[in-house]
Amino acid sequence: DAGVIQSPRHEVTEMGQEVTLRCKPISGHNSLFWYRQTMMRGLELLIYFNNNVPIDDSGMPEDRFSAKMPNASFSTLKIQPSEPRDSAVYFCASSLGGALTDTQYFGPGTRLTVL
Amino acid sequence: LAKTTQPISMDSYEGQEVNITCSHNNIATNDYITWYQQFPSQGPRFIIQGYKTKVTNEVASLFIPADRKSSTLSLPRVSLSDTAVYYCLVGDKAAGNKLTFGGGTRVLVKP
Repeated sequence: DAGVIQSPRHEVTEMGQEVTLRCKPISGHNSLFWYRQTMMRGLELLIYFNNNVPIDDSGMPEDRFSAKMPNASFSTLKIQPSEPRDSAVYFCASSLGGALTDTQYFGPGTRLTVL
Repeated sequence: LAKTTQPISMDSYEGQEVNITCSHNNIATNDYITWYQQFPSQGPRFIIQGYKTKVTNEVASLFIPADRKSSTLSLPRVSLSDTAVYYCLVGDKAAGNKLTFGGGTRVLVKP
């Protein structure tokens, strides 16, 4: 199994630009999670989906952030417009079941730098 | 808002046992406690999970007291390759059972 796939692995952009991060979960997994990791705030859950439906987006920082899951094998996290404080590593994870504490399998992350 | 707290760092030597305690005094009633390991430039990786008492697998043990307000990850006989950051993950009842990671404990294993 290829595991969770994220792209790009690194993204450098300028303030005000739109950024789209992509994730392909493990085949057969029903839940997908987006996290952000920074030195100051650690690992934060942004949003999670179950069966392609957003269940809890209370961690999304503000309206500039949006996430979609059009099908079971693909999800995007979009930031528009991006700001320097959005610089972080963004992880996508998937799990087999619908319980929040089911084992999650993380992707390698996307390191975002907003100049 | 209740916090999930862990020591920031720990040093150890090869062959020793390492115990990391996570405090989660507002854990969601029905949620499991999960521990993850993270190496630099990688995503977190599942280590162990439990609900109460003791759980053991091939890499670690997890001790959970009856009140479930804390949990202790035990790594027996660590090696240099166990140098990593270790996170606990629980549902926080005060935050509507939202998944909350602890701040992470950086474990350095020395030769």
